[in-house]
Parts: sequence; C-alpha cells; structure tokens
Amino acid sequence: EAQVTQNPRYLITVTGKKLTVTCSQNMNHEYMSWYRQDPGLGLRQIYYSMNVEVTDKGDVPEGYKVSRKEKRNFPLILESPSPNQTSLYFCASRDWSTDTQYFGPGTRLTVL
Amino acid sequence: EDKVVQSPLSLVVHEGDTVTLNCSYEVTNFRSLLWYKQEKKAPTFLFMLTSSGIEKKSGRLSSILDKKELFSILNITATQTGDSAVYLCAGGGSEKLVFGKGTKLTVNP
Repeated sequence: EAQVTQNPRYLITVTGKKLTVTCSQNMNHEYMSWYRQDPGLGLRQIYYSMNVEVTDKGDVPEGYKVSRKEKRNFPLILESPSPNQTSLYFCASRDWSTDTQYFGPGTRLTVL
Repeated sequence: EDKVVQSPLSLVVHEGDTVTLNCSYEVTNFRSLLWYKQEKKAPTFLFMLTSSGIEKKSGRLSSILDKKELFSILNITATQTGDSAVYLCAGGGSEKLVFGKGTKLTVNP
C-alpha cells in the first residue's frame, strides 16, 4: 500500500530535550516536505527536499533541522524544542508526474 | 510572496444544500491547484487541476480552475453531514506547495 508513515504519532516532551520525528514513504517520490499546522494559521511549510541530499527552507524553518540521506526517509529534528513548537506536524511526499501530494498521519507534539 | 486565499473561512449549511468554496492564488511558476479535505486527521486528496476551464468531478464534488483570474472553486451538491470538514486549497509551484487557511464546512442534519 502506498503510504507516508510518521513516528511517533504523539509526543510530550520538555523544553530543550532534543527529539526526532521520523518520516518514511514507499512511493519512490523525490519530493518530500514537513509542515506544521496551527489553529488560525493553517498549514505552513517548514522544510522541503527535492531529492537526496537536497533540502531547502520553507516558510517557518527556525528551530528545525532536516536531513535527506535516502530517498524514502526525511526526518525532522528539533535540537532544542521550545513551547512555541507545540503543534501538529505533517510529513508529505509529492509525485511530480501527477503533482499530487500525500500526507502522513500527523504527529501531535507538545513541548512543556 | 506566494499566497493562497480561501473564502469563506467558515460556512454552516443544512443537508441537501449546495455550497461553493473559493480559492484565489498567486504562486510563482504555477503548476497546479490542489484541493484537500481534512477531517480530524491528515488532509486527503480530492482534486488536482492544471488546465483552465476543465471541470473535474467526483460524485457530488466538482472543481474548476480559471488560470486567467487565478481562481478556483470547489462545489459540493446535495451536501451530507459527512461532508463536514475543513477544505484546503493549495497552489503548486515548481518547488513549493502553498496552502490556504482552509474553509471549515459544517453540514447540519
């Protein structure tokens, strides 16, 4: 089954404790991205990657890091999480041939 | 700066009504306009539009793109309570997919 998976789905952590949210897709898509979704602000892109070893900042990259060492994986790293990073995070991968973007199930992160 | 604006932000209707959701966009190197439905989980894909004036249909939902006016609409006929959701519009450029803030549709029985 074609899908985007994320882990963990829910996470409560404390300020300053490094964390990684994993993302994996099995559709061989070149393009992957991370979004955060907040009430009233909609979906905002954090980082995107157009291919292996190619990453670029989205609209809200501060406080986040990503890496793309393999095509299928695109982890999101919060080196020193802060409460303003409490949000719902979505990973997505995009099929260039159809321009369709598929979302992972989401990770609800709470930073205390 | 790329932007996508949706209207209205929220809408409450009764079952059986027809609704029209609006999306205007300004996206650099525009490739496509996408519509998603989001309930209490991840957005699910509805339509992708690239050509002006060609309507896409799926059951009671349909959508059309006007590339001259930089505008798209999503129509839902004979609404049902299961149509209650946030509908997201996104403009696809050569690199980014820019999302609007969504229209929250509530269909009352």
